[in-house]
Amino acid sequence: NAGVTQTPKFQVLKTGQSMTLQCAQDMNHEYMSWYRQDPGMGLRLIHYSVGAGITDQGEVPNGYNVSRSTTEDFPLRLLSAAPSQTSVYFCASSYGGANSPLHFGNGTRLTVT
Amino acid sequence: GENVEQHPSTLSVQEGDSAVIKCTYSDSASNYFPWYKQELGKGPQLIIDIRSNVGEKKDQRIAVTLNKTAKHFSLHITETQPEDSAVYFCAGGAAGNKLTFGGGTRVLVKP
Repeated sequence: NAGVTQTPKFQVLKTGQSMTLQCAQDMNHEYMSWYRQDPGMGLRLIHYSVGAGITDQGEVPNGYNVSRSTTEDFPLRLLSAAPSQTSVYFCASSYGGANSPLHFGNGTRLTVT
Repeated sequence: GENVEQHPSTLSVQEGDSAVIKCTYSDSASNYFPWYKQELGKGPQLIIDIRSNVGEKKDQRIAVTLNKTAKHFSLHITETQPEDSAVYFCAGGAAGNKLTFGGGTRVLVKP
């Protein structure tokens, strides 16, 4: 099993550009989520999904869009990148919601200039 | 919503000594408290978790204690080794799908 796979590993964007961060898991987990990690602020929840066709907002959803058309994939879209979105982004999945062990990908480091 | 605070932000210990990281939470409804370890360039990995129906849980050199009355929980690492050097995150959550993380503790174990 590959676990949770995130692509790309690194990305540089100019302000106003859009892009999609990819996340795929092969563990048949119903729950998937996106976090951003900033120095000293831990991990903050952006969006999450409890199954295909269902998504909901987390703590910091503004400027991001998600969809869940399949159990395996949960892409995160930046609609118009801003320097404040410079961060490391992690995708995570679990079998039983946020209150079961989360399996994280290795992250995407995004820089917006 | 839940607020989780974690201390200290950095911790330096001599190899073989113990390390303790403390977290406090605000939402009395929270009942799940995991700890994650993050090595450089990797995603966080669960090392131990505790639910509110127990006060302590141990797994080899790591242990977690929970005080529901005071709303705090702690991670204890005994006989630290260089491979314990990493960033550690605590988190808390109630039933549902949102988990709130602390700000992280960078642990350095000096040989």
